[in-house]
Amino acid sequence: KQEVTQIPAALSVPEGENLVLNCSFTDSAIYNLQWFRQDPGKGLTSLLLIQSSQREQTSGRLNASLDKSSGRSTLYIAASQPGDSATYLCAVPATGNEKLTFGTGTRLTIIP
Amino acid sequence: GAGVSQSPSNKVTEKGKDVELRCDPISGHTALYWYRQSLGQGLEFLIYFQGNSAPDKSGLPSDRFSAERTGGSVSTLTIQRTQQEDSAVYLCASSLWGSGLGYGYTFGSGTRLTVV
Repeated sequence: KQEVTQIPAALSVPEGENLVLNCSFTDSAIYNLQWFRQDPGKGLTSLLLIQSSQREQTSGRLNASLDKSSGRSTLYIAASQPGDSATYLCAVPATGNEKLTFGTGTRLTIIP
Repeated sequence: GAGVSQSPSNKVTEKGKDVELRCDPISGHTALYWYRQSLGQGLEFLIYFQGNSAPDKSGLPSDRFSAERTGGSVSTLTIQRTQQEDSAVYLCASSLWGSGLGYGYTFGSGTRLTVV
């Protein structure tokens, strides 16, 4: 059974700093990995989708990496802004079916 | 449409009443998913549609919950005889062909259901 863990559970950093969020998964036989953000009381917004054949994806100030063999992904946020404050979730399709297994989430607070 | 649309955005209902939640996926997306998120909890898978059929209904918590999808497009999640523990945010997502084929999910904004 796939298990996805995110560390840290919560993170507070001053505005302008670069930061890294971590995601680890137990079953490396994944098709892809997706990073989402969730604002309080809202749905999920897709940030980046990395296919299993890729090592990283970039979108603006965000960069996500994937190391399948070690079961790890990182989300790097450059020059953080208060608007980046949200909960960040990583998710992978469960092996053999269509469910997404979500990580436990990292609650990020950017201090102005 | 441009995104996944869910309605209503908020629903307050009395215990014992039935409710219907609607999801309009991105046009052309064959895969559709329902999840729910209880307060302070993670996302719980409910059901997956491929076209109009539901190959995986394993997440539906009881027989009070049902879902259908018509025309390979709009889906309705119905909860009968609502209970207070049904209070949650119900999220719908769609995918072009499915996550198992490498396609990502796009989520709607959710329906916040409160059972009083």
